[in-house]
Amino acid sequence: EPEVTQTPSHQVTQMGQEVILRCVPISNHLYFYWYRQILGQKVEFLVSFYNNEISEKSEIFDDQFSVERPDGSNFTLKIRSTKLEDSAMYFCASSLTGATNTEAFFGQGTRLTVV
Amino acid sequence: AQSVTQLDSHVSVSEGTPVLLRCNYSSSYSPSLFWYVQHPNKGLQLLLKYTSAATLVKGINGFEAEFKKSETSFHLTKPSAHMSDAAEYFCVVSAGRDDKIIFGKGTRLHILP
Repeated sequence: EPEVTQTPSHQVTQMGQEVILRCVPISNHLYFYWYRQILGQKVEFLVSFYNNEISEKSEIFDDQFSVERPDGSNFTLKIRSTKLEDSAMYFCASSLTGATNTEAFFGQGTRLTVV
Repeated sequence: AQSVTQLDSHVSVSEGTPVLLRCNYSSSYSPSLFWYVQHPNKGLQLLLKYTSAATLVKGINGFEAEFKKSETSFHLTKPSAHMSDAAEYFCVVSAGRDDKIIFGKGTRLHILP
């Protein structure tokens, strides 16, 4: 069964460093998303991406964040200068369409710890 | 704007007894509603979804949910809990022009032997 894969599963980084979280969406999907879940809190929407551009982003997704689909298979989330409060589980998702009745398929997440 | 509220952060049931996980939503548009499950160290897996067809939706692993517009609810049920059902469950709403998927806070289901 096709699945979304994320690497690494765990990432520890020092405050101020750049990190790149990687995702391989399901191959025929067209819409891509990043969500995050701070420990003990809700899963929060960060950004959606379609046709090689951001289609929507939340207020969390500030200038420190960027996304890219560098090679047609990977979908990356970059945090330029990490802060302690960026520590969270980051989930990548993809969907075939952007319609509201289409489910998103999620990866297993990358746990980011900023120290 | 839409929102979703999961009324219980933790639910404990004995193995073999029924499961009820509660979810209420708010939406200005006709919503699509989903339940996702997250097992430890695993990604989010879709259990079932409601998309304006039948109001009683059957999902995987014996779970089902009923969309009740009058109560703005989409509670998840299972007749008989199994130890493998222990996980975190998320109710999710998607609606409106912005199409964002909005998650509830999650309910952790504990199964007692």
